[in-house]
Amino acid sequence: DGGITQSPKYLFRKEGQNVTLSCEQNLNHDAMYWYRQDPGQGLRLIYYSQIVNDFQKGDIAEGYSVSREKKESFPLTVTSAQKNPTAFYLCASSADRTPAFGATGELFFGEGSRLTVL
Amino acid sequence: GDSVTQMEGPVTLSEEAFLTINCTYTATGYPSLFWYVQYPGEGLQLLLKATKADDKGSNKGFEATYRKETTSFHLEKGSVQVSDSAVYFCAPVSGGSNYKLTFGKGTLLTVNP
Repeated sequence: DGGITQSPKYLFRKEGQNVTLSCEQNLNHDAMYWYRQDPGQGLRLIYYSQIVNDFQKGDIAEGYSVSREKKESFPLTVTSAQKNPTAFYLCASSADRTPAFGATGELFFGEGSRLTVL
Repeated sequence: GDSVTQMEGPVTLSEEAFLTINCTYTATGYPSLFWYVQYPGEGLQLLLKATKADDKGSNKGFEATYRKETTSFHLEKGSVQVSDSAVYFCAPVSGGSNYKLTFGKGTLLTVNP
C-alpha cells in the first residue's frame, strides 16, 4: 500500500546528541514536510521541500537540518543546538508543489515519531 | 501571513450530541480550506475540504461550509460517536509560489458513551 513511513516511532536521546528521524514515502509525491507538535500548540512547520535537492526553512528551523537527496526520502536531524527537542514529529507529503499545477493542498501524514530527551 | 483561529478545547460531549467546532481564518486571495483529524497516537488525516466559496465539504457525517463573507469554515456533525474522539485541525492553504498549510492549534473532542 502507498503511504508514508516514519521511524522510529519512539526515540530517546541524551542531551548533546544528534538524532535523525527517517521519513520515506512511496506516493511519488514531489513535496515533503516536517512538522513539530507540542501539547496545546498545534503543528509548527520545521522544513519543507518541493523538489529533490532543494528545501526551505519553515517557522521553527533553528536546531534542525534536513536533506532531500531522493524523491522518496526526507530525513530530519535534530541537532544538539535544538534547546527543547522533546516533541512529537510528523512528516507529510503532497502531490502538489504550487497552485500553478492545480494544487489542492492536501497533505498525507506519517504516524509520527516521539522524541524524548533524557 | 495566514492565520487560523480555532475554538479552544477541550470539548466533551455525550454520544449522539450535536457538534460544532468554530474556525475562522485570514489568508491571501482565495484559499482552499481543510479539516484534518488526528486520532490518539497517530498522524493527521484529511477529514474534508472545500476549494471555493459556498462549497460544502463532507465526510463520515461531518460537514463544513466555506463562508467567504465571514472567513469561516466551521465543522459540524449532527450526532457524534465515541469513535469521533480525536483532535481536529482547521487549515487554510493560500496560493503563491511557496504555498503551505497553516494549521490551527487543534480542538480536542472527547465523546462519552
